[in-house]
Amino acid sequence: NAGVTQTPKFRILKIGQSMTLQCTQDMNHNYMYWYRQDPGMGLKLIYYSVGAGITDKGEVPNGYNVSRSTTEDFPLRLELAAPSQTSVYFCASSPVGSGYTFGSGTRLTVV
Amino acid sequence: ELKVEQNPLFLSMQEGKNYTIYCNYSTTSDRLYWYRQDPGKSLESLFVLLSNGAVKQEGRLMASLDTKARLSTLHITAAVHDLSATYFCAVDTVNSGNTPLVFGKGTRLSVIA
Repeated sequence: NAGVTQTPKFRILKIGQSMTLQCTQDMNHNYMYWYRQDPGMGLKLIYYSVGAGITDKGEVPNGYNVSRSTTEDFPLRLELAAPSQTSVYFCASSPVGSGYTFGSGTRLTVV
Repeated sequence: ELKVEQNPLFLSMQEGKNYTIYCNYSTTSDRLYWYRQDPGKSLESLFVLLSNGAVKQEGRLMASLDTKARLSTLHITAAVHDLSATYFCAVDTVNSGNTPLVFGKGTRLSVIA
């Protein structure tokens, strides 16, 4: 069982560059989420999706975009990377009304 | 807006001792989750508490939920080094549908000999 797969695991970006963080789940979960984790700050929700074609903003969406064209995939796009986006990014999925399964995370550094 | 507060945020405890981590939340919710995160790793589900008075136990950890007080506790019994990790509670407002979880800031637990 692969669960939730995130790629890449590590990435260094230069200021102003763009990249896409990939997230794929094989559990047929309707709900998918992107969180960022900064030291001592817990997890903050960036975007989430309740199904293919439906996405919504979370607490900290600025500087990010998402799409959900299939049930399995929920990529997170960073446009014009800034140092403030240095963080660890977690993708998660869940069935309706249940807890999350998290991916292994992507550690991003913007320099 | 749902707020979730954990305390303490840092906890250093001796092996063999007992301690409790508290999780308070600000609005009505029937579902509370506890996760564990080891350094540099992802989050692992520990407990799902789905109703008032729910109690779950796994090894040296026991979680409970009081929805009237909007409080969950994670009790550690006779701590061992392997329990050193960061523990997060998370809450959703199920009355609003499957809203995303709101996480506390986490409690970093260090168990020392």
